[in-house]
Amino acid sequence: GAVVSQHPSRVICKSGTSVKIECRSLDFQATTMFWYRQFPKQSLMLMATSNEGSKATYEQGVEKDKFLINHASLTLSTLTVTSAHPEDSSFYICSALSPGRGTYEQYFGPGTRLTVT
Amino acid sequence: AQSVTQPDIHITVSEGASLELRCNYSYGATPYLFWYVQSPGQGLQLLLKYFSGDTLVQGIKGFEAEFKRSQSSFNLRKPSVHWSDAAEYFCAVGGSNTGKLIFGQGTTLQVKP
Repeated sequence: GAVVSQHPSRVICKSGTSVKIECRSLDFQATTMFWYRQFPKQSLMLMATSNEGSKATYEQGVEKDKFLINHASLTLSTLTVTSAHPEDSSFYICSALSPGRGTYEQYFGPGTRLTVT
Repeated sequence: AQSVTQPDIHITVSEGASLELRCNYSYGATPYLFWYVQSPGQGLQLLLKYFSGDTLVQGIKGFEAEFKRSQSSFNLRKPSVHWSDAAEYFCAVGGSNTGKLIFGQGTTLQVKP
């Protein structure tokens, strides 16, 4: 149980285009999802917290107009990188939280490698 | 300020040797503590967690960790390392109010044959 998927696992896009990454909780309802960014050999940096049915809360320094987050259902959150540039290339990881499962434990997706050319 | 420190960026151990990865935290409230492992290009896998109760927690793959409140530490241990344990290890702290996690910088474990 507690499986989180991400799609796509890898994506290459041209500079200036937008790309959408999906995060799904497969066997539980996720009231809250988190989006992280990870640079090579570095730790995870929290980008935003997404609560179902409400606007995402972005961490300081994260451009909300560039990284659009939508949490339209209890099993799906999406991250759209708009007008992508090479510096947006990174490993993006989502996680899902379900307090209803009895613990405040995040379940992580496998990540999406974004390369902007 | 809330933070997690993993003092060792890189550790190399011989296969079969014991392992201890250090983690110190600073957190204002009662902490929830986690250790995750990440293989190259992969997501995070939970090794173990501490919420309350017994301060020595057992996890998967033969790992254990001990919560020491007086030292603000949550060190990860394994008595005998296997080559497949080579990976990146992250310590994280969170609380019950938001569910947000603060991650340490990570420790890269290399295992020598």
